[in-house]
Amino acid sequence: AQSVTQLGSHVSVSEGALVLLRCNYSSSVPPYLFWYVQYPNQGLQLLLKYTSAATLVKGINGFEAEFKKSETSFHLTKPSAHMSDAAEYFCAVSGNSGGYQKVTFGTGTKLQVIP
Amino acid sequence: NAGVTQTPKFRVLKTGQSMTLLCAQDMNHEYMYWYRQDPGMGLRLIHYSVGEGTTAKGEVPDGYNVSRLKKQNFLLGLESAAPSQTSVYFCASRSWGTEAFFGQGTRLTVV
Repeated sequence: AQSVTQLGSHVSVSEGALVLLRCNYSSSVPPYLFWYVQYPNQGLQLLLKYTSAATLVKGINGFEAEFKKSETSFHLTKPSAHMSDAAEYFCAVSGNSGGYQKVTFGTGTKLQVIP
Repeated sequence: NAGVTQTPKFRVLKTGQSMTLLCAQDMNHEYMYWYRQDPGMGLRLIHYSVGEGTTAKGEVPDGYNVSRLKKQNFLLGLESAAPSQTSVYFCASRSWGTEAFFGQGTRLTVV
């Protein structure tokens, strides 16, 4: 079965500092991986996705993530945090042996940006 | 371009009442999903559908039923609501190999 583990339910960074949100996955087949962002009282918005092309994926709002098969990781980074980055971030995987039908989410990481 | 539309956006039910949540997508996606979101638990899959007329159970299906009579619509039913079903419900749709597109959510309170 596929699964996602996000380390750290809450992360705090200073404005201008590096953002690093961790995600590890398990999948019995080559995975598709996603990062989503959720602002308060809104739905989920795609930040970026990995679908077996380049291992370094660039997304919206200056975020990027690197797929590392040997570490089964897909960590999200941004060089310099902005106040507007404060939100909840979800990592997701699609890749079970049932034909990539399901998308499984992690428990989320709330990012706080300190002025 | 509406994307994924959920109705209603808010609802308060009494224990034992029934209701149906409607999800409609205009992107011709094959796959549709219902998730519930609870604090600290992320999004958990309730039921999903890989095509018109087909449905399957997710990880937390008990107490819910679904139907997909038309490709663009996916209905989630609660036959006898319980306080444990108080949650925010999200519908999503996607095509094979693509990301999921989400609705804005339905906030359900069962008292």
